[in-house]
Amino acid sequence: QQQVKQSPQSLIVQKGGISIINCAYENTAFDYFPWYQQFPGKGPALLIAIRPDVSEKKEGRFTISFNKSAKQFSLHIMDSQPGDSATYFCAAETQGAQKLVFGQGTRLTINP
Amino acid sequence: ETGVTQSPTHLIKTRGQQVTLRCSSQSGHNTVSWYQQALGQGPQFIFQYYREEENGRGNFPPRFSGLQFPNYSSELNVNALELDDSALYLCASSLPGASSYEQYFGPGTRLTVT
Repeated sequence: QQQVKQSPQSLIVQKGGISIINCAYENTAFDYFPWYQQFPGKGPALLIAIRPDVSEKKEGRFTISFNKSAKQFSLHIMDSQPGDSATYFCAAETQGAQKLVFGQGTRLTINP
Repeated sequence: ETGVTQSPTHLIKTRGQQVTLRCSSQSGHNTVSWYQQALGQGPQFIFQYYREEENGRGNFPPRFSGLQFPNYSSELNVNALELDDSALYLCASSLPGASSYEQYFGPGTRLTVT
């Protein structure tokens, strides 16, 4: 049962460009939406997270945009750098549910 | 302060065998969750342990079981291995009262079932 759908599956962006990854969810009980970054051989690491009562959150070059009515949220990476090349996962959490529901992941490659 | 550690790093087992994976949580973290990450997929929640008791379970059969010890370390046991169990198994720990998204993941154990 896929409750969080992520796209695209893979993405290639030139250095300095903007990387955009999208996610859509179905369960309106979700109340926190984190993004994770995973490098090969490593576990996912929390990048940035947003609550559904906020439309945008920015941390450095990373921005989450949230559209509650459309049940969609996206990650924007500004001025993308080769070091940003990794797999990115969106996720959703229902408080008290003790678990995260992950999207399928996006493999991002930043060309120098 | 050490992060979440997992052992072994890689493991190859035969279908029908049993396997035990281990996780040491980050210092001060009393909650441990396990996830299965199939190749090219996002992690899927298996279960969570808090104070040595199972505290939530995903859609996995009973042959997936776990333990948490008084020092908060944890084991994941899988019986009667199937080919589809081949995956990266991730352990994540979190502080008391933290939300699930605030957990820290270990590097995982890559299990291959042949």
